[in-house]
Amino acid sequence: DADVTQTPRNRITKTGKRIMLECSQTKGHDRMYWYRQDPGLGLRLIYYSFDVKDINKGEISDGYSVSRQAQAKFSLSLESAIPNQTALYFCATSDSPGRTGDGYTFGSGTRLTVV
Amino acid sequence: AQSVTQPDIHITVSEGASLELRCNYSYGATPYLFWYVQSPGQGLQLLLKYFSGDTLVQGIKGFEAEFKRSQSSFNLRKPSVHWSDAAEYFCAVGARGSGYSTLTFGKGTMLLVSP
Repeated sequence: DADVTQTPRNRITKTGKRIMLECSQTKGHDRMYWYRQDPGLGLRLIYYSFDVKDINKGEISDGYSVSRQAQAKFSLSLESAIPNQTALYFCATSDSPGRTGDGYTFGSGTRLTVV
Repeated sequence: AQSVTQPDIHITVSEGASLELRCNYSYGATPYLFWYVQSPGQGLQLLLKYFSGDTLVQGIKGFEAEFKRSQSSFNLRKPSVHWSDAAEYFCAVGARGSGYSTLTFGKGTMLLVSP
């Protein structure tokens, strides 16, 4: 099994619908992140969580919300999907401060299309 | 806040030729630096990282990168490119002080390999 698992892998949804993207990890990392990738824009941070009780907004959090259900699970929700949220979404994990670790470990991504 | 610039959107290299992908960062001190590779339809894989010490860093798949503080650069190199190296490459920077907290990614460089 993958260290970081994202579900679904692909999703097509209609404008106005609520949708949840899920992420689970077996790395034992405390920190989890959600990024979106758009062609020519690289990866932009949506939300991040340093532990179960900690949630922080990233640079593009508007229109999104998150839930950290457990150390291993971090979900991203689009409350009312709009077409410009069509993108590739990545979940990532990392070690806590003070550990060098290996940077981020990424999931395989969820390709979301809003029509 | 930190930022990353990858000046080249696309680069085409002949198979067997050498490669250099450029990365410049903006940060008030020495940051943590990373290079990731993304193959089509895949997540991001860590190629190499710089935390401290030797400024020439070796990574996987025959890649290396050199941290140059005076130029605020962390360029990725490979002496002989293989067709399987065709992918998108992302440079990322993380702030010191609390581990690498959140990473800021460049917009990516797409590497095309010609026969």
